[in-house]
Amino acid sequence: DAGVIQSPRHEVTEMGQEVTLRCKPISGHNSLFWYRQTMMRGLELLIYFNNNVPIDDSGMPEDRFSAKMPNASFSTLKIQPSEPRDSAVYFCATHHGGGITDTQYFGPGTRLTVL
Amino acid sequence: SQQGEEDPQALSIQEGENATMNCSYKTSINNLQWYRQNSGRGLVHLILIRSNEREKHSGRLRVTLDTSKKSSSLLITASRAADTASYFCATSDTGRRALTFGSGTRLQVQP
Repeated sequence: DAGVIQSPRHEVTEMGQEVTLRCKPISGHNSLFWYRQTMMRGLELLIYFNNNVPIDDSGMPEDRFSAKMPNASFSTLKIQPSEPRDSAVYFCATHHGGGITDTQYFGPGTRLTVL
Repeated sequence: SQQGEEDPQALSIQEGENATMNCSYKTSINNLQWYRQNSGRGLVHLILIRSNEREKHSGRLRVTLDTSKKSSSLLITASRAADTASYFCATSDTGRRALTFGSGTRLQVQP
């Protein structure tokens, strides 16, 4: 298995532009998580899906952020419009689990720089 | 404040020495996990200890959990330069599926 795949690996954009980050989970994993990592705030959970349904989006910073999971093999995190404070590394993680949280498998991350 | 705070924030040791990192948390948990992050990479799961366990071993890793003190420790024995990374504890709260990560400990192992 190729593991969790994220694209792009690096993204540099200008303030005000739309940014779309993509994630392909490990086949068979039914939960998907989006995290953001910065030096100041560490690793923050933004949103997670279970069986393609958003369960908890309380970590999404504001309306500029949106996430979708149209099917079991693909998810997107969109920022529109982007701002310099959105610069961070965005990770997607997935796991196959039942009721209790278990091991999460992380993708390599997308390093976003908003100028 | 953040669930899962690691201590120390940074640790520098010589190869062959043991490294101990601590984690404190605030709420009731289902389990506690430790992850490693190499520079510029994603997090990799190391070990999971459930709330009814007190100690767990995996290779050179030893994890303890004290639910009365809401704390955990990760011990890496006979450290190697390749162990250089950031280490994070993550808790799974009862009633919530997602993990909450601590701020991490940066470990530097000098060859």
